[in-house]
Amino acid sequence: NAGVTQTPKFQVLKTGQSMTLQCAQDMNHEYMSWYRQDPGMGLRLIHYSVGAGITDQGEVPNGYNVSRSTTEDFPLRLLSAAPSQTSVYFCASRQGRLSNQPQHFGDGTRLSIL
Amino acid sequence: QQQVKQSPQSLIVQKGGISIINCAYENTAFDYFPWYQQFPGKGPALLIAIRPDVSEKKEGRFTISFNKSAKQFSLHIMDSQPGDSATYFCAARSPPNFGNEKLTFGTGTRLTIIP
Repeated sequence: NAGVTQTPKFQVLKTGQSMTLQCAQDMNHEYMSWYRQDPGMGLRLIHYSVGAGITDQGEVPNGYNVSRSTTEDFPLRLLSAAPSQTSVYFCASRQGRLSNQPQHFGDGTRLSIL
Repeated sequence: QQQVKQSPQSLIVQKGGISIINCAYENTAFDYFPWYQQFPGKGPALLIAIRPDVSEKKEGRFTISFNKSAKQFSLHIMDSQPGDSATYFCAARSPPNFGNEKLTFGTGTRLTIIP
């Protein structure tokens, strides 16, 4: 049972480059989300999706795009990387739309923007 | 604006001792308070959670104490073990209201248990 799988685990980019962080879950969860984790700031919600074809912005969406073409996959795209986007990114999923249900997190992607 | 304030930032406890991590919140509409545990190189994992109509919840060595009037809740780890060394995050949920339902996380506490 893989749970939530994120790739890559590490990535270094130059300012202005674009890339896609991949996230896949095999639990048939309806809800998926992306967080960034920065020192002293906790976890902040970037974008989320309540089902295939439906996405919405979280707390810090600027500079990121998402899409949800299937239940399993929820990629996060950095359009033009900036040093401020250096962070650890976590994808999460849960069965239902409400956050009073357990969220399952991936192991993260550590991203450095030079 | 930090809606959930967590303290301390780091904590060192001797093996067998009690670890206590505190969180305070502003929004009285919060209706669900989970704690997440994160080991290095891994994502957070749900540890224990409480609702505001309960003052205490215990699961094994882990207990949440909840004080609604003070708008505070805390995680107690009894008989702390080296394997408990991790970062702990508290969180609070805003209930569904015009689509703003979400979890707000605290800033985390790095716990180290020394032998």
